[in-house]
Amino acid sequence: EADIYQTPRYLVIGTGKKITLECSQTMGHDKMYWYQQDPGMELHLIHYSYGVNSTEKGDLSSESTVSRIRTEHFPLTLESARPSHTSQYLCASAARRPYRDTQYFGPGTRLTVL
Amino acid sequence: AQKITQTQPGMFVQEKEAVTLDCTYDTSDPSYGLFWYKQPSSGEMIFLIYQGSYDQQNATEGRYSLNFQKARKSANLVISASQLGDSAMYFCAMRDNNNAGNMLTFGGGTRLMVKP
Repeated sequence: EADIYQTPRYLVIGTGKKITLECSQTMGHDKMYWYQQDPGMELHLIHYSYGVNSTEKGDLSSESTVSRIRTEHFPLTLESARPSHTSQYLCASAARRPYRDTQYFGPGTRLTVL
Repeated sequence: AQKITQTQPGMFVQEKEAVTLDCTYDTSDPSYGLFWYKQPSSGEMIFLIYQGSYDQQNATEGRYSLNFQKARKSANLVISASQLGDSAMYFCAMRDNNNAGNMLTFGGGTRLMVKP
């Protein structure tokens, strides 16, 4: 199983601020993912990465950006936070195993933009 | 396009009884994987069980089992001997194996409440 860490766990911030949500994993997984989830609702993929220097946008359009400079680190940045960005953000990673590729999730960051 | 449907937004079960959470899926790919995750009120997503489309037997993990009916495109989660700690949201997810990024498509979830 993977050890996935996300910081901060909770963040309350004012409109217009720049924020970075941190995600790190210690298992050397190549694939990493960011999901956005409103309370009690399904998860929507916003970004993913195959490996270092690889990033792609997911199904849900997002104003956030990501980077993957190191295998273990996949931060998400919002240049100018807005109330519509209020949500939970979940990071996940997966190793390549034949026909399995289970995604393991971090604890999430609950973001509130005032 | 893939689609996952969970038709039960909320369910109650008596402690120590078994409960089945429904999941149906739609895909045109012959090779795919099905996952169930548990999300307690604290927010983290906990992997429970996996079923591959070519697996001959239904998956089991402790008190969790997956009732996989390929022809009906259903992958229901069965929790035996429910415990109070099983109260949570449960999400069914699918990944088609031709998808290079191995992304998951999630259902809308079922909220399970275990009564003492």
